[in-house]
Amino acid sequence: DSGVTQTPKHLITATGQRVTLRCSPRSGDLSVYWYQQSLDQGLQFLIQYYNGEERAKGNILERFSAQQFPDLHSELNLSSLELGDSALYFCASSVDLAGFNEQFFGPGTRLTVL
Amino acid sequence: SQQGEEDPQALSIQEGENATMNCSYKTSINNLQWYRQNSGRGLVHLILIRSNEREKHSGRLRVTLDTSKKSSSLLITASRAADTASYFCATDARQGGKLIFGQGTELSVKP
Repeated sequence: DSGVTQTPKHLITATGQRVTLRCSPRSGDLSVYWYQQSLDQGLQFLIQYYNGEERAKGNILERFSAQQFPDLHSELNLSSLELGDSALYFCASSVDLAGFNEQFFGPGTRLTVL
Repeated sequence: SQQGEEDPQALSIQEGENATMNCSYKTSINNLQWYRQNSGRGLVHLILIRSNEREKHSGRLRVTLDTSKKSSSLLITASRAADTASYFCATDARQGGKLIFGQGTELSVKP
């Protein structure tokens, strides 16, 4: 158990819908990262938050957005869903901003868009 | 874009044998991390090696890092069926905290 929690474990929805994925980082970790894992793209970085502020953006679509709350949990919002958004979405956390320390991953949310 | 490339893409060995996986990357790094993933489940952190380290051990795992060749290797000694999983290397590429992953090596350990 990494100490990073994600809910829900599985999500099945239809095209055009909107979903919210939730992540709680390990106790003491200020950085939260979101990654997407798909068969064709592999593991891709989406976005990073540190202590409530967005710090880095990767290959995140405009239809996707995220935020980190004062209690440090984070949510990833995916809207106008397409079939191609079906993937495993991981949240990870680390203690620092710059990536000098280990990054621990949650169990992931498997999103299926029908 | 992918920073790292793992080699081989797939590896099949017998229990008790050693398994070696290699990872190459393209740009300078602060550190490199290895992860294990069992069949579409979560990523388990195995080990972090910093750019000023050459070798690191953790239980049956040995990781080496050669920054001049931009490569790393993960050795699992005396493998077990439970080691069957995909193994990924990830680097920071000195771009803040985000990790850039390779495509992974699929390890199968047969009892």
